[in-house]
Amino acid sequence: GQQLNQSPQSMFIQEGEDVSMNCTSSSIFNTWLWYKQDPGEGPVLLIALYKAGELTSNGRLTAQFGITRKDSFLNISASIPSDVGIYFCAGQSTSGTYKYIFGTGTRLKVLA
Amino acid sequence: EAGVTQFPSHSVIEKGQTVTLRCDPISGHDNLYWYRRVMGKEIKFLLHFVKESKQDESGMPNNRFLAERTGGTYSTLKVQPAELEDSGVYFCASSPGTGRAQHFGDGTRLSIL
Repeated sequence: GQQLNQSPQSMFIQEGEDVSMNCTSSSIFNTWLWYKQDPGEGPVLLIALYKAGELTSNGRLTAQFGITRKDSFLNISASIPSDVGIYFCAGQSTSGTYKYIFGTGTRLKVLA
Repeated sequence: EAGVTQFPSHSVIEKGQTVTLRCDPISGHDNLYWYRRVMGKEIKFLLHFVKESKQDESGMPNNRFLAERTGGTYSTLKVQPAELEDSGVYFCASSPGTGRAQHFGDGTRLSIL
């Protein structure tokens, strides 16, 4: 079945630094979504990408839908302490259903 | 606009008992999805409703799991009888269209003892 590899698994960064994480797969996807999850809460949608090559920003966050449709990255600029959390990518299956395949998450910790 | 709501937020039951989880999607969202995250693993798809119909239930682990969405509004996910490996966080999500972004609830944390 389709699988996503998300990296890095975790990272510590200093406040003010930029952060980059990505998801890759050997399969193509129709849509890419990026979510953030805080402890005790559900994933919150950050950015949705619907076309190959699409580059979208949401405040300090920027994400791109890879041109090959097999990857996506998320960048966070000038990180702040509240950026702490787990970030998930999700790709929509091309198998004829509409389910999303999730990455294993990137745990981000920001050092003040 | 109210988001996706799930009830209960936590449930602790003994092996062999029955538990029913409820999800209320965002009003007007015909598409409703159930996912599960087992400790340390990725979020995995369970099934997808379009209105009251099951569009895709390929992720349901086995026949101890039963999902319903009578009337096409809220949905329930029943586990009967619960086993230890059923522990995890069960998320519900909804979307206005099948190709659109899904919005998640806060999940139900299920612990089987």
